[in-house]
Amino acid sequence: NAGVMQNPRHLVRRRGQEARLRCSPMKGHSHVYWYRQLPEEGLKFMVYLQKENIIDESGMPKERFSAEFPKEGPSILRIQQVVRGDSAAYFCASSSMGTGEAFFGQGTRLTVV
Amino acid sequence: EDKVVQSPLSLVVHEGDTVTLNCSYEVTNFRSLLWYKQEKKAPTFLFMLTSSGIEKKSGRLSSILDKKELFSILNITATQTGDSAIYLCAVTNAGGTSYGKLTFGQGTILTVHP
Repeated sequence: NAGVMQNPRHLVRRRGQEARLRCSPMKGHSHVYWYRQLPEEGLKFMVYLQKENIIDESGMPKERFSAEFPKEGPSILRIQQVVRGDSAAYFCASSSMGTGEAFFGQGTRLTVV
Repeated sequence: EDKVVQSPLSLVVHEGDTVTLNCSYEVTNFRSLLWYKQEKKAPTFLFMLTSSGIEKKSGRLSSILDKKELFSILNITATQTGDSAIYLCAVTNAGGTSYGKLTFGQGTILTVHP
């Protein structure tokens, strides 16, 4: 049973470009969470999704950021017109039935140059 | 807003020492508290605690929750260099759309010297 898979592991984007981060949850998990970890800071919640639904996006910046979890395929975190401040590690976690015992992927390290 | 505070922020010990990491929290509708270990990659799940006073144990690691005083401790006995990592404490809220969402503390950086 593969764990949570994220890709790419590292992503470099120039300012103004778009970044797409992908997350495939563990088999049997239908709850996906995205977290951001800025340098020297803890993990901050961004968004919580179930299949085809956004449940809680209270941690998402109001502009440029969006997330989806389609019926088929991975969850996608999309950042439009990236800025240097978006440079961070983005982690995806999944759980079954929202038990709280969430398992994390390896993360995507986004660098904006 | 839910809040988690960990202490100390960093800790340096020698192999064989015992360490205690602290986590205090404020949650409007507490459901669970979780501990994770983060090396240079994904946070790895250690424990989930929901009931007060019941110790969870895995090898040299153990943890206990005090729901009355709103804190948890993580103990590591006979530390090894492989225990060097950031230890993260997180809580979940049982209310509404927050279900399953983790609120993290800032972490404790543990360094174990040979």
